[in-house]
Amino acid sequence: QSALTQPASVSGSPGQSITISCSGTSSDVASYNVVSWYQHHPGKAPKLIIYEGSKRPSGVSNRFSGSKSDNTASLTISGLQAEDEADYFCCSYAGSSTFYVFGTATKVTVL
Amino acid sequence: QVQLQESGPGLVKPSETLSLTCTVSDGSISSYYWNWIRQPAGKGLEWIGRVYNSGSTNYNPSLKSRVTMSLDTSNKQFSLKLRSVTAADTAIYFCAREQKYQVLIDYWGQGTLVTVSS
Repeated sequence: QSALTQPASVSGSPGQSITISCSGTSSDVASYNVVSWYQHHPGKAPKLIIYEGSKRPSGVSNRFSGSKSDNTASLTISGLQAEDEADYFCCSYAGSSTFYVFGTATKVTVL
Repeated sequence: QVQLQESGPGLVKPSETLSLTCTVSDGSISSYYWNWIRQPAGKGLEWIGRVYNSGSTNYNPSLKSRVTMSLDTSNKQFSLKLRSVTAADTAIYFCAREQKYQVLIDYWGQGTLVTVSS
């Protein structure tokens, strides 16, 4: 099972919006509406920010939003803030053999 | 706030067994699935497997022949053993909680680096 494909890096200025893509296949992203997104500051525990493609856990800023089209999921960060600078990775269910596949991670830089 | 903490040796010799434990701070360990995930340096995350209930398991087919996971409900811990390790098993190892009735990994530990070297 191959990893989901994300851009290595995305950058934006404070206040801007950025979008991170997560490209999968018919065996994962396209087949299941259970893509999750995590924010990860290296050395700390990854934090869930989006689940089931577009839902936000309680306490997560509404500046984070998710969507999916066919085999590609997307995470949008609106009103970019310095604290958003981190690594972001996606995760999708991939069936009852492999269970979970993860994205290659995207480093977000706030300029 | 649920917290997970990985523990175990940071250095393992080639051909030996990597052993890690994850301690869960809160909640019933019986009410969730418990996962191990790893990230080799410069590479993406790889799902290793999960343990749940009284010790039922699911493993990544690529690692299945070398992996054993177990639960210790009384101590709120679960563990990973990976046999016959090589340098390719050098990675940051994460433990993580998965919802039992929802396909969702919601809480992670901060990860622990395990290096395979003589």
